[in-house]
Formats: sequence, structure tokens, C-alpha cells
Amino acid sequence: DAGITQSPRHKVTETGTPVTLRCHQTENHRYMYWYRQDPGHGLRLIHYSYGVKDTDKGEVSDGYSVSRSKTEDFLLTLESATSSQTSVYFCAISVGHRQETQYFGPGTRLLVL
Amino acid sequence: GENVEQHPSTLSVQEGDSAVIKCTYSDSASNYFPWYKQELGKGPQLIIDIRSNVGEKKDQRIAVTLNKTAKHFSLHITETQPEDSAVYFCAARSRGGADGLTFGKGTHLIIQP
Repeated sequence: DAGITQSPRHKVTETGTPVTLRCHQTENHRYMYWYRQDPGHGLRLIHYSYGVKDTDKGEVSDGYSVSRSKTEDFLLTLESATSSQTSVYFCAISVGHRQETQYFGPGTRLLVL
Repeated sequence: GENVEQHPSTLSVQEGDSAVIKCTYSDSASNYFPWYKQELGKGPQLIIDIRSNVGEKKDQRIAVTLNKTAKHFSLHITETQPEDSAVYFCAARSRGGADGLTFGKGTHLIIQP
């Protein structure tokens, strides 16, 4: 998993509660990404980061925020979880001089009741 | 933005036969096309990729072809084995810089013994 860990790996929460997912990498990669995976939709980009405190929105960013205060950690926060945010969340990093090639972490399975 | 279509959604082949999965993309500026394999409960794993200045790339039993004019690319797996059973995703990157991938919806490949 390219030195990527995600925590927690599984979480059950209730609608309206805040949730934070953590992505940690050990190889000092500059670019990090958050995707969600849902049946029939493949993987969709939520947010990405191109450096400490530098982030941008992806295709499905509504309802999510991110933070990156250290190179190794990229946090995804659901301020007030909804059932539509039940999904599997994957973190990724990119490598190479064009930063094209992406490697994914093991994922976090989130269930919002 | 970019749109990636992937077909078929399910593909069943006899062990030892070949499998072909096809994707089309919409943005003629896309220049990088990776393929990922995902096993149950795991993150997507990069298996092969191709850039727009190349028409074909091979790695042992796996090959990818790209037709820029028609805006489609395909994954070819020869001499399929039981361990090839998984979900396969194609993806495209439409802009310069590492701002994320657009994925197809996946193909469930089943290898029949």
C-alpha cells in the first residue's frame, strides 16, 4: 500500500455526528488524495492536497472538509455525517516527476446510521 | 470535466482464455491512463498504465492499448488464471498536474475453472 495507512479501518456513526478519517504516509509524498467508492460509481475524488496547508476540491466535495498540517497526514472531516456519506473512503498518494501515478491505501469503511 | 465509460460491467471467461475490458474517455486533453485491480476488501492496486504518446504497453500477461483518435483504451489479459478474478477499473487524467483521476465504474472479472 505504498506506505499508506488509514484509520480507522471501520466506523459506524449516527447521522449528524462529526467524523474524521486519517490518512498517514511515511514517504514524504507531496500530493495526497481522498476518494470515495460507491457501488455503480467507481471511485470519485473528494479533495486533494498538493502540500502542507494547500488543498483543493474534487468532484464530490460538498459536505467534506480536509486539512493537512503535516506532510505525512491528510485528514478528511465530515462535519455532520449523513446517510448519503456511507461509503468506502480511500486515500492515495502520487509519485513520479509528473505526479501521475497514484497508489491507494487500504480504505476506511464508514456506515452512517 | 472528464467522463470515463467502462464496459462490460461483468465479464466471465474460462480459465486460460483471454479477457478484454474497454474504456472510452471524453476529454481529448487526457494524457495518462492507468488500470487498477481491486480485490475484495482491499484498495485498488495499479497493474499497468499508459501515456498518450504510446499506443501499446505490455507487462507479461497484461497489455493496454490506446487509440487517441477514437478516445478509447483497452486492457487485455491473456492466459487468465483464477487469481485474475477481481474488479478492474480504468481511469484517465485530463489535465496537467496531479489533480486526481477520473475512474470508470469497474468491471467484475470472473474466471471460470
